[in-house]
Amino acid sequence: SAVISQKPSRDICQRGTSLTIQCQVDSQVTMMFWYRQQPGQSLTLIATANQGSEATYESGFVIDKFPISRPNLTFSTLTVSNMSPEDSSIYLCSVTRTGGASGELFFGEGSRLTVL
Amino acid sequence: KNQVEQSPQSLIILEGKNCTLQCNYTVSPFSNLRWYKQDTGRGPVSLTIMTFSENTKSNGRYTATLDADTKQSSLHITASQLSDSASYICVVSVQTGANNLFFGTGTRLTVIP
Repeated sequence: SAVISQKPSRDICQRGTSLTIQCQVDSQVTMMFWYRQQPGQSLTLIATANQGSEATYESGFVIDKFPISRPNLTFSTLTVSNMSPEDSSIYLCSVTRTGGASGELFFGEGSRLTVL
Repeated sequence: KNQVEQSPQSLIILEGKNCTLQCNYTVSPFSNLRWYKQDTGRGPVSLTIMTFSENTKSNGRYTATLDADTKQSSLHITASQLSDSASYICVVSVQTGANNLFFGTGTRLTVIP
C-alpha cells in the first residue's frame, strides 16, 4: 500500500483567490494523478503529474487554471487558480507504483474546497 | 463510448442484512475492474480488483463478481455493519490510452441499526 497525505484537508476560499494543495507519499511512486470529485459526481481525472516535466492534462483542464508541480517521486502540488464557486469540489491525489492499467491505485484523503 | 453505470444510486438497509450493488460497463478493451469504498470525507479505498479471467473475489464480508461476457459486476456485502455506510465506486480500466480508468458515479449505502 501507499500512505498519502494531503494538505489542507479542507478550506474555504474567496472567489478570485488561488489555493495550492499538497500531496506527500511515504515512498517513491511511479505515477501521481490529481482527480476532482464534484458533489454527487464521480471522480474526474484532471491531470497526470510528471516528475521533472509538465503535467499531462485531460480534456477540459488547462495548466493556467490547474498548475501542477512534481519536483520528485514522492511529492506533488495542485493549484486551483482564480477560483470560482464552480471549483468547489473534493480534490484527490492518487498514486500507483507499477503504472499501467493493472497498477493498484491508492488515494489520499482528499482536500475539500469550498469557494464563496 | 466507454461508460460505467452503477445501480442503485442509493440504498438503505438494516444492520445485519445482506445487499448487492451492481456495475454495468461498456468499456473496451477491458483490462480490470475495481471496487472502491469511500467513506464520507475520505479518499476511496480499494476493496477488490479483478482481471478478465477472474469471476469472483472476496475481501472479508465483501465479494465481487465479474461476468466479462455480459460486462457486469456485482459487489455483495454480507452481514452488513454500520461501518459499511459509504459510497461504493466501480472503476473499469482499459488496456490502452493515457486516461485508462473509467469511474462509476457510485452507490451510496446507508446501514441503519
